Amino acid sequence: SQQGEEDPQALSIQEGENATMNCSYKTSINNLQWYRQNSGRGLVHLILIRSNEREKHSGRLRVTLDTSKKSSSLLITASRAADTASYFCATDATGYSTLTFGKGTMLLVSP
Amino acid sequence: DAGVIQSPRHEVTEMGQEVTLRCKLISGHNSLFWYRQTMMRGLELLIYFNNNVPIDDSGMPEDRFSAKMPNASFSTLKIQPSEPRDSAVYFCASSQLTGSFLDTQYFGPGTRLTVL
Repeated sequence: SQQGEEDPQALSIQEGENATMNCSYKTSINNLQWYRQNSGRGLVHLILIRSNEREKHSGRLRVTLDTSKKSSSLLITASRAADTASYFCATDATGYSTLTFGKGTMLLVSP
Repeated sequence: DAGVIQSPRHEVTEMGQEVTLRCKLISGHNSLFWYRQTMMRGLELLIYFNNNVPIDDSGMPEDRFSAKMPNASFSTLKIQPSEPRDSAVYFCASSQLTGSFLDTQYFGPGTRLTVL
């Protein structure tokens, strides 16, 4: 079963707007990671947030983690057409050494 | 480093044929993961190796699938005989497992398999 589930499934915005994607998961985690996948390519790691962290920034990316609600959000500020991709959250559940990926949010940024 | 290398990038075969997918890990990584991605099921973990040893193969669909890691830097995923429902993009990823925490996974470009 899916550990992480992203919401929304698809998001369409204009360049310059902010994009927010959410991820919910079911069990306790060690960390949560966000990945990006451009069409026809492999996944690329964006950011990792540990279970004892609440917020993390990397460039135009901001990730929050609420372990009490078992949820995370990824915010992309001032989006660009090049941000068009699918975004996945992945959880490293406590006691397991593998990542479980959600089905992703497909983001379309129009010029 | 060239990153994770997968070959072939595309494979078209007929039902019943044997298919072998190949993956070269990033130097220094000790964990390897094979995934399958389809529109219907998303990204599924097939098998996971740590230090060349298969740790979790519960995601391997059935006996037609087998994976090996003959050395620390190379792995193969074999499907024999292949079926049309095996059509998907197959990714391998490598990582460095430190203690109980899984570090970032680095994905290869994938092999797009089409079984006719």
